[in-house]
Order: sequence, then C-alpha cells, then structure tokens
Amino acid sequence: AQSVTQPDIHITVSEGASLELRCNYSYGATPYLFWYVQSPGQGLQLLLKYFSGDTLVQGIKGFEAEFKRSQSSFNLRKPSVHWSDAAEYFCAVAAIQGAQKLVFGQGTRLTINP
Amino acid sequence: ETGVTQSPTHLIKTRGQQVTLRCSSQSGHNTVSWYQQALGQGPQFIFQYYREEENGRGNFPPRFSGLQFPNYSSELNVNALELDDSALYLCASSLGGGQVAYGYTFGSGTRLTVV
Repeated sequence: AQSVTQPDIHITVSEGASLELRCNYSYGATPYLFWYVQSPGQGLQLLLKYFSGDTLVQGIKGFEAEFKRSQSSFNLRKPSVHWSDAAEYFCAVAAIQGAQKLVFGQGTRLTINP
Repeated sequence: ETGVTQSPTHLIKTRGQQVTLRCSSQSGHNTVSWYQQALGQGPQFIFQYYREEENGRGNFPPRFSGLQFPNYSSELNVNALELDDSALYLCASSLGGGQVAYGYTFGSGTRLTVV
C-alpha cells in the first residue's frame, strides 16, 4: 500500500526567504504525486501534480516540485515566500491502478515571519 | 462553473447519535469522494461514489455509509457516533470515475464535533 511521509510538522521562514517542504512516498511503481494547500477553515487547493515526463513540475502561486525516483521524494519549493503563503501543505500520492484514491501525508504547517 | 458545496459547515452531535452530511458536486462532475481529516492530520479516504454505486472504500467501519443521487450530489451518513468521529469531513468531486488524472475539486468541509 502506498504511504506518504512529511518529516516536518511545522516550519517557520521569513518573508522573502526561500522554502522547501519535504515529502517522501512509498509505492511499488511510479505514482501520481500531488501537493495541496489548505488555509484555515478551507478545503484543499491543488498546487501542482506529477504524473510522468519532466521531473520538475511548475504549479500555481510560484511553487515548483521535483520528483526524484532514486530518493522516493517529491519536495515542494518556492524561491521567495509571501505572508499569504502561511497555510498547511499536504503531499499526496495516488495509485495508478485500481480504485484511485489520494493518500495524504500528515501535513506541514508553514508560518511566515514578517 | 460552481464549485463543490458542503452543508452544514459546522455541527455538534452527541455520542451515539446519527449524522448526515451533504455535498453538491461541481457542475459536470460524476464522481464524489469523501475524506475524514482529524485535527492535525492529513485527510483519510472514506469512500467514493460513481454512477450511484460505491466505487472504493477506505478503512472505515460499516457505520460510515453513503449515497449518490442521479444529479451526482452525495450524502455521508455516520451512525452511532463516537468521540473519535470528531473531524473535518471533506467532499471532492471529479470526472471519469474518480481517476485522479482528471483532478479533484474539494469543498470547504463540514466540521463535526461529537460530545
């Protein structure tokens, strides 16, 4: 069964600083990979996704993520964070075969210092 | 196009009671999935409905049940509520029988508190 680990429960960065959120997955084949963002009291918004092809994926709001098969990782990056990026970030994996459900990590809470 | 609408936004129930949560899917989407998000956790898959049939189920007991209607809206029913059922319940709609390649649109959720 697939699983996702987000090692960092909480990260604090200064506004304008760069950001990297870590995600490691477990799956026997190449999975579909996703990053979602959740603001307080809100649902999940898709930032970006990887299915195949170029391992560097661009998303909305200036985010990007890189799929590294050898490390089973799909880390999310942003070169310069804004105060509005403060939120909870979830990495998710989905199996390509069978009932396609999303399996989420525990999430990383991002706090931005002014 | 309209997004995914969930109702109610908040509710409080007593242990042992039953609850029904509702979801209106995004226009044109024929598949609905339900997720439970406990405080401080990532969402967990409960089940998915496609063409009014259950199309996959996560590790949840039978007291969690659902329905999908001909207009693709959906209900999540939970019987014999337990304190651990307190969570944010998220509904996601999609096309194509829930294939993730088509993308999921999430609602804002229903916050259920069991006391």
